[in-house]
Amino acid sequence: IVMTQSPLSLSVTPGEPASISCTSSQSLLLSTGYTYLSWYLQKPGQSPQLLIYFGSNRASGVPDRFSASGSGTDFTLKISRVEAEDLGVYYCMQTLQTPITFGQGTRLELK
Amino acid sequence: QVQLMQSGAEMKKPGSSVRVSCKSSGGAFNSYTINWVRQAPGQGLEWMGAIMPILGRPTYGPMFEDRVSITADTSTSTVYMELSRLKSEDTALYFCARDPCSGNHCGLYNWFDPWGQGTLVTVSS
Repeated sequence: IVMTQSPLSLSVTPGEPASISCTSSQSLLLSTGYTYLSWYLQKPGQSPQLLIYFGSNRASGVPDRFSASGSGTDFTLKISRVEAEDLGVYYCMQTLQTPITFGQGTRLELK
Repeated sequence: QVQLMQSGAEMKKPGSSVRVSCKSSGGAFNSYTINWVRQAPGQGLEWMGAIMPILGRPTYGPMFEDRVSITADTSTSTVYMELSRLKSEDTALYFCARDPCSGNHCGLYNWFDPWGQGTLVTVSS
């Protein structure tokens, strides 16, 4: 399954919103009703950290300014008000089928 | 909470093998899949394979299946990833990551949390 993110880079003024798109080459929705799409943030020099699982569920400890939506093949991660600590590279990942695949990553920079 | 601690950086010659370990602590081990993901310098994330320790049968990504071996030692809560016939293009950060999903609603693979700190493998003559 090919995962395609856009944009590949994003420059945002702190306090402003940001949005990242992720498209999969086939539907990630299983008949169980669960969507096998998750989002990660890799801050500079760190390991990736989980933000969102099953398409739209915020992970424990993730600020509520992060939200995610979508179904089937089109997904969006939104940050309502970007803060300095949000900079890094954002990845979407599908786990519906092996090989598990990631989007190319979206680099978020601050203006 | 669960923590994954990986072994230290490695420098290897082309054609040799490397083994990276990932030790789990702070939670159950046997029934949770551990995945391996690598990241070449300045590049994105690439899934290599995974293993559920209690089953002991790994699954590999097609780009690696002829060169990678993933094993688990339930007595020490450690998963190992060995990559053979190393090439310069294998220079990368290698991460392990746990799939924490449990329950009937979980698929074979779900999401990754936590991740290990990463192990830098450098392949150079």
